[in-house]
Amino acid sequence: KAGVTQTPRYLIKTRGQQVTLSCSPISGHRSVSWYQQTPGQGLQFLFEYFSETQRNKGNFPGRFSGRQFSNSRSEMNVSTLELGDSALYLCASSLGQDILAKNIQYFGAGTRLSVL
Amino acid sequence: QKEVEQDPGPLSVPEGAIVSLNCTYSNSAFQYFMWYRQYSRKGPELLMYTYSSGNKEDGRFTAQVDKSSKYISLFIRDSQPSDSATYLCAMSAAGTGNQFYFGTGTSLTVIP
Repeated sequence: KAGVTQTPRYLIKTRGQQVTLSCSPISGHRSVSWYQQTPGQGLQFLFEYFSETQRNKGNFPGRFSGRQFSNSRSEMNVSTLELGDSALYLCASSLGQDILAKNIQYFGAGTRLSVL
Repeated sequence: QKEVEQDPGPLSVPEGAIVSLNCTYSNSAFQYFMWYRQYSRKGPELLMYTYSSGNKEDGRFTAQVDKSSKYISLFIRDSQPSDSATYLCAMSAAGTGNQFYFGTGTSLTVIP
């Protein structure tokens, strides 16, 4: 079974630009969560989508947005990029049910975004 | 105060040593506890998960949860160079869907 696939793996953008990252979850998984990982802050939760609806949201500004399609693939968009947005963006998929055995998150390799 | 605190290390041990990794947390509603391992330039991979308090063993790895102290641990016995990675603790509360809270990770190097 294929794992979680994130594209692209690396991105270089300049301040003020916008960027879209893509995540294809494990087949059968309906929940996709996005995280930002930086050396100082660790993994910070951005948002979670389940069956095309945003179910949970972390404490990030509105410049960070996402969506999920009917095939469970998800995209994350960051508008008006800032230098501080440079990070590894990780996507995790799970069955999304509120029972631990069904709720385990499997991560992709991430997209490393550098903002110059 | 962060919901989950984890000593970032780095931790360096000789091969064969017993490694202890720890996290503390502040939210008493957390019931699900997980440990992830992350190799350089890779995404985190799940090592172990437990529900509520107690111990769980899987090969060389043992996870412990002490809810009264809000403290979780991961022990690695007979550590190997291949265990060199960053270890992340994660936890969540029932009824919060898929919202996980992660520690910042502890960097471990096992020296041959």
